[in-house]
Amino acid sequence: DIQMTQSPSTLSASVGGRVTITCRASQSISSWLAWYQQKPGKAPRLLIYVASSLESGVPSRFSGSGSGTEFTLTISSLQPDDFATYYCHQYLAYPWTFGQGTKVEIK
Amino acid sequence: EVQLLASGGGLVQPGGSLKLSCAASGLTFSSQPVNWVRQAPGKGLEWVSVIGESNNYAFYAESVKGRFTISRDNSKNTLYLQMNNLRVDDTATYYCAIQSWAGIGYWGQGTLVTVSS
Repeated sequence: DIQMTQSPSTLSASVGGRVTITCRASQSISSWLAWYQQKPGKAPRLLIYVASSLESGVPSRFSGSGSGTEFTLTISSLQPDDFATYYCHQYLAYPWTFGQGTKVEIK
Repeated sequence: EVQLLASGGGLVQPGGSLKLSCAASGLTFSSQPVNWVRQAPGKGLEWVSVIGESNNYAFYAESVKGRFTISRDNSKNTLYLQMNNLRVDDTATYYCAIQSWAGIGYWGQGTLVTVSS
């Protein structure tokens, strides 16, 4: 199975600040990586697919980069609506696997 | 608008069975693989199972293999998950999820399964 290691598990940031979340795969997944945002009691929402493509309707302050085994999600200017938990997800091969999540909290 | 309405969750004793359903609308259901993904209370996301567009394949996580069976009825735009021999650690919200080359573009609202005596 492909293991996905996400860091940090929690981060505190201020509104307007820049946030970077890292996801590492245990083997190359090319660009078959997605990022999701999840708020309490809600289903996840797709933000980024194939590592760097922005899903329709997602604000441009979200961006993704990387390929192979190292990936990054960046929020350029954190907004109040962005405080949530973020997950990376490899969909190169079954079993699909997710990172353990990064909770973004208000500083 | 795409809608995925999951149902069938509830409280069941260890060793019991439950069948989840997910009714899809607003998309061509028969043209895409569909997955079940679960989330234990306060925990992260865990992939459970996938079924091909025309029931041509199905894969399972090791944790549910031999106990869960995924199926679909394209004439009813509905996905199912038959869960047998349930364990306490199967307690989770179960999401149906439409697969595309972009990962999971559409998620259902989830249905909560609680396994407890």
